[in-house]
Amino acid sequence: AQSVTQLGSHVSVSEGALVLLRCNYSSSVPPYLFWYVQYPNQGLQLLLKYTTGATLVKGINGFEAEFKKSETSFHLTKPSAHMSDAAEYFCAVSGSSNTGKLIFGQGTTLQVKP
Amino acid sequence: GAGVSQSPSNKVTEKGKDVELRCDPISGHTALYWYRQSLGQGLEFLIYFQGNSAPDKSGLPSDRFSAERTGGSVSTLTIQRTQQEDSAVYLCASSLKGDVAQHFGDGTRLSIL
Repeated sequence: AQSVTQLGSHVSVSEGALVLLRCNYSSSVPPYLFWYVQYPNQGLQLLLKYTTGATLVKGINGFEAEFKKSETSFHLTKPSAHMSDAAEYFCAVSGSSNTGKLIFGQGTTLQVKP
Repeated sequence: GAGVSQSPSNKVTEKGKDVELRCDPISGHTALYWYRQSLGQGLEFLIYFQGNSAPDKSGLPSDRFSAERTGGSVSTLTIQRTQQEDSAVYLCASSLKGDVAQHFGDGTRLSIL
């Protein structure tokens, strides 16, 4: 079975500060890992994904994440927060079957203070 | 190009009624997924289609829930005899065969009175 744990349901940062959203996963097979962002009343937008190869993955809007197998982590970072980054962020894992279905964490709401 | 389209965007219905939710995937995407997003349960997988077949229905919560896909395109999720616990946002996603990235629609917000 696969699972995802996001540490911290709410994270608050000041504009211009580092953003760090934590994600740990459990998987009995090599995982595919994803970060999605959701703005109010919208669907999920893919920020970045890890499948194989380079463990540091760069995504859209200046976000990046590093796959650390030894720590079973896939934390999301951004050097400098912008007001427009305020949203809910979901970490997800797939790979346990051929279906590609995503198993999501509970989400982290990012607040950006001016 | 056009993204995943879901209709209606909002649906309010009375307990016990049947509802149909529609998903129109991105053209050419053979894989289609339904998820449910609720306050108590977070984001949950419901069903996966590859073409018109549904090899994974493991997330459907009860036999009141069913889904079909026709022509390898549009999918309909049907909930019969709705209950208040069915209130949630139902999200549809699609992907190209062999691509792990799923593209999501904006969802249907279902409210059961």
